[in-house]
Amino acid sequence: KAGVTQTPRYLIKTRGQQVTLSCSPISGHRSVSWYQQTPGQGLQFLFEYFSETQRNKGNFPGRFSGRQFSNSRSEMNVSTLELGDSALYLCASSLGPSGTEAFFGQGTRLTVV
Amino acid sequence: DQQVKQNSPSLSVQEGRISILNCDYTNSMFDYFLWYKKYPAEGPTFLISISSIKDKNEDGRFTVFLNKSAKHLSLHIVPSQPGDSAVYFCAASAQEYGNKLVFGAGTILRVKS
Repeated sequence: KAGVTQTPRYLIKTRGQQVTLSCSPISGHRSVSWYQQTPGQGLQFLFEYFSETQRNKGNFPGRFSGRQFSNSRSEMNVSTLELGDSALYLCASSLGPSGTEAFFGQGTRLTVV
Repeated sequence: DQQVKQNSPSLSVQEGRISILNCDYTNSMFDYFLWYKKYPAEGPTFLISISSIKDKNEDGRFTVFLNKSAKHLSLHIVPSQPGDSAVYFCAASAQEYGNKLVFGAGTILRVKS
């Protein structure tokens, strides 16, 4: 059974650009969550999608957005990139609506220069 | 407001001995708790979880204990192996929040051979 797949693995962008990251969850999983990991802040929740609907959103500016498709694949978009957006972006998939194990992908390392 | 706290940034243990990693939480709505292990530049790997209706869950060398009255949980690894050296994250969720996970800051475990 394939795990959570995130693409691309590494990305370098310049300030002001926008970026789209992709996540394919484990087959059968309907929930996809996104997290940002930085050295100083640990893992911070960005948002969660379940059955194509955003159910939860963390404390991030509106430049961070996402969506989920009917096949449960998810994308997150960051517009007007800032240097502080440099981080490891992690996607996690879960089977049910709550109280189930979340399985993480390897992440996308975004560097903003 | 840090709702999940791992107060020990690091822990060093001799191979074969027990490793005990601790986690405290403040939000009484949390009803599901998970432990993850993480290597650099990789996504967190799910280790073990526990529901708030239990006080202990065991899986091989890993045991998680939950003390709801103290809002405290711990992960025991017995016996510790050098391959266990990694960052360990405690995470919590609440049914009302879907699959949103709130993470602690992590504890670096070093197992010396």
